[in-house]
Amino acid sequence: DIQLTQSPSFLSASVGDRVTITCRASQGISYYLAWYQQKPGKAPKLLIYAASTLQSGVPSRFSGSGSGTEFTLTISSLQPEDFATYYCQQLSTYTWTFGLGTKVEIK
Amino acid sequence: QVQLQESGPGPVKPSETLALTCTVSGVSIRSDYWSWIRQPPGKGMEWIGNVYNSGKTNYNPSLKSRVTISVDTSKNQFSLKLSSVTAADTAVYYCARGSPRCGGDCYPLDYWGQGTLVTVSS
Repeated sequence: DIQLTQSPSFLSASVGDRVTITCRASQGISYYLAWYQQKPGKAPKLLIYAASTLQSGVPSRFSGSGSGTEFTLTISSLQPEDFATYYCQQLSTYTWTFGLGTKVEIK
Repeated sequence: QVQLQESGPGPVKPSETLALTCTVSGVSIRSDYWSWIRQPPGKGMEWIGNVYNSGKTNYNPSLKSRVTISVDTSKNQFSLKLSSVTAADTAVYYCARGSPRCGGDCYPLDYWGQGTLVTVSS
């Protein structure tokens, strides 16, 4: 199985901050990585796929980069509605896996 | 508008089989990948498996011996069965659609159901 390690697992930030979350894969997955945002009590929402392609309707302050084993999700200027938990997911193989999540809280 | 809705009979006793159905509207279930994902209370997400091409399946290796995912194209539904459940299977269960991206080479989950909490308890 391909394991995904997200870091940090928790971060505290202020509105307007630039935030970066990292996802590392246990083996190369090319660009087959997606990022999701989940708010409490809600289903996850697709933000980015193919490592860097923004899903339709997602604000441009979200961006993704990386390939192979290291990926990042960046929020250029954190907004109040961005406080949530973020998950990466690999879609490289027939069996998919998620990272353990990064919770972004208000400082 | 694509919508997914999970449904099931409610609490499940240990050693029994958990059964859930996802009803899809707004798109035919004959195309795309259809997944089940679960999330234990306060924890991260776990991909359970998917069904595609009206019947082919992939399963999480850690659950494979207990999981069956099937599709009913006449009702535009797909289903999950998880056998021999224990308290560790208590979770919110989501169904979701994976639609082709990456030139048809990857299927990120772009539509999700609202989720249903399944509790395993005697």
